[in-house]
Amino acid sequence: SQKIEQNSEALNIQEGKTATLTCNYTNYSPAYLQWYRQDPGRGPVFLLLIRENEKEKRKERLKVTFDTTLKQSLFHITASQPADSATYLCALGKAGANNLFFGTGTRLTVIP
Amino acid sequence: GAGVSQSPSNKVTEKGKDVELRCDPISGHTALYWYRQSLGQGLEFLIYFQGNSAPDKSGLPSDRFSAERTGGSVSTLTIQRTQQEDSAVYLCASSLVLGTAYGYTFGSGTRLTVV
Repeated sequence: SQKIEQNSEALNIQEGKTATLTCNYTNYSPAYLQWYRQDPGRGPVFLLLIRENEKEKRKERLKVTFDTTLKQSLFHITASQPADSATYLCALGKAGANNLFFGTGTRLTVIP
Repeated sequence: GAGVSQSPSNKVTEKGKDVELRCDPISGHTALYWYRQSLGQGLEFLIYFQGNSAPDKSGLPSDRFSAERTGGSVSTLTIQRTQQEDSAVYLCASSLVLGTAYGYTFGSGTRLTVV
């Protein structure tokens, strides 16, 4: 069955630095890869979607890459701020599939 | 509504009791999804609806779980004879169309505790 791994359970970085989160997958060929942010006690919030034929997608301070050869997506937050502290989830979906599969998430803490 | 609404936000129930969890999706969203999130675990997919139809129930953990959706809108997830392992946060999401090419809008979830 498919397996989705996010690089670490927790990541601490200094304010102003770039945070890089990793999502690796096996036994799967997703057509779409999505990233979500989840704050404590809240549901995930959609951030970005990248398609298999796209290498990179940007939105404000966020950048996502998608390497189907390495079976990996990288999620970057530039000029990080304490308000970026949250858990970030990656989710994969096949073309024509009906639902997303989610990773377990990485908890990011940006230290002032 | 403006967002996905779930109720109750918290539910404590005794083992063996039945519970109903409600989800009110964004108006006009045809697809609705239920996920479960246990402590330290990823989101576990339970079931999806296209309109009022749920053609694939294989994600439901056991036959104690059932779900329905009426009027292409509100959905109810029912857990019968609750067990302690059912304790989790139950999340509902909706999207404009069914599938994985669009972002999902999630509710804040129902935290279920079975004692």
